[in-house]
Amino acid sequence: GENVEQHPSTLSVQEGDSAVIKCTYSDSASNYFPWYKQELGKGPQLIIDIRSNVGEKKDQRIAVTLNKTAKHFSLHITETQPEDSAVYFCAASLDTGGFKTIFGAGTRLFVKA
Amino acid sequence: DAGVIQSPRHEVTEMGQEVTLRCKPISGHDYLFWYRQTMMRGLELLIYFNNNVPIDDSGMPEDRFSAKMPNASFSTLKIQPSEPRDSAVYFCASSFMEDSPLHFGNGTRLTVT
Repeated sequence: GENVEQHPSTLSVQEGDSAVIKCTYSDSASNYFPWYKQELGKGPQLIIDIRSNVGEKKDQRIAVTLNKTAKHFSLHITETQPEDSAVYFCAASLDTGGFKTIFGAGTRLFVKA
Repeated sequence: DAGVIQSPRHEVTEMGQEVTLRCKPISGHDYLFWYRQTMMRGLELLIYFNNNVPIDDSGMPEDRFSAKMPNASFSTLKIQPSEPRDSAVYFCASSFMEDSPLHFGNGTRLTVT
């Protein structure tokens, strides 16, 4: 089955710096790659997603890149702010006769003011 | 849009007791998912429904776990009998289509003593 690995597990940056989180997936049939942000006491919330027919997508300070050949995808956050502090999850989805979204283990991001 | 609503937010029970978790998905969403989140195993998909019909329950850990969706606006996850290792945060999520973003509730934190 699909396996998603996420690195780093913890990331600490200074306010205004950039943050990069990387994920790899195992099943080349995966075709949808969402990223979720989870704040304390809440459920994960989608922040950006990308489909397999696109290599890059940007939304204000957030961007995601996808390399299907290498089975890598990354989240880039520029000009980080304290409110970006949270746990971020990457995920990969594929249709195996039933659609499944498999999550990475998460990255805890700290943005220091 | 009230989002996905889960109840209760917290549940503390003794080993051997029956536990019922409840979820109201977003109106119009045809897919409903139950996830479990723990530090050790991250976010695990337990079961998902399409149009109230269970599609994939391969993630349900044991026969002690059961889920139902009697109508489009309500689902339950039941654990009977509960065990301490069931302690986790249980999330319900819904989506419009299979490969569209998941909308999570704020979860039920279950503690089994």
